[in-house]
Amino acid sequence: GESVGLHLPTLSVQEGDNSIINCAYSNSASDYFIWYKQESGKGPQFIIDIRSNMDKRQGQRVTVLLNKTVKHLSLQIAATQPGDSAVYFCAENQAGTALIFGKGTTLSVSS
Amino acid sequence: DSGVTQTPKHLITATGQRVTLRCSPRSGDLSVYWYQQSLDQGLQFLIHYYNGEERAKGNILERFSAQQFPDLHSELNLSSLELGDSALYFCASSGIRGDEAFFGQGTRLTVV
Repeated sequence: GESVGLHLPTLSVQEGDNSIINCAYSNSASDYFIWYKQESGKGPQFIIDIRSNMDKRQGQRVTVLLNKTVKHLSLQIAATQPGDSAVYFCAENQAGTALIFGKGTTLSVSS
Repeated sequence: DSGVTQTPKHLITATGQRVTLRCSPRSGDLSVYWYQQSLDQGLQFLIHYYNGEERAKGNILERFSAQQFPDLHSELNLSSLELGDSALYFCASSGIRGDEAFFGQGTRLTVV
């Protein structure tokens, strides 16, 4: 079965709000995690990554938090914009074999 | 543009047929991964090749096979196609560290 999953299949926010997308993983041996964004009809696009020796990493308007104690990953998007509307996937890399993806959260941003 | 090229973009074929999907990785990337994405589903890992050798297998059916050639491009062969094989098939590539994978735009396969 899948070792990576997301808590909510959909998330609706207003433009300008902060968004938080959550992900739970079950394999404690996973050492690398990535968040991808997938727009309709396109391939997944890298957003931000984090290694298991870190608990927080920031990018432009995005922050990833890793809680290894409860095997939880989250993606925070600041000042969400309509262009952020997409499906977001977390993925884990288990010792360099392959990225294993969860089912995804659809983020809808209304203006 | 991720630098990963997949052809064709769309493919329509009949049940029982065989098709070949092609992937050219980013320049310098040795790893190629294949994923299947069915409607409203996540990405299911199929297979991973590194520098011509199979490295890992996921949920790949026996009717499916893949290979990576000396020039590092990869092909995914799907045979005895069934209606349920209709999906988006993505190829991704990564470098030596095997971390971040860059995805192509996918091949949309429709089996009728």
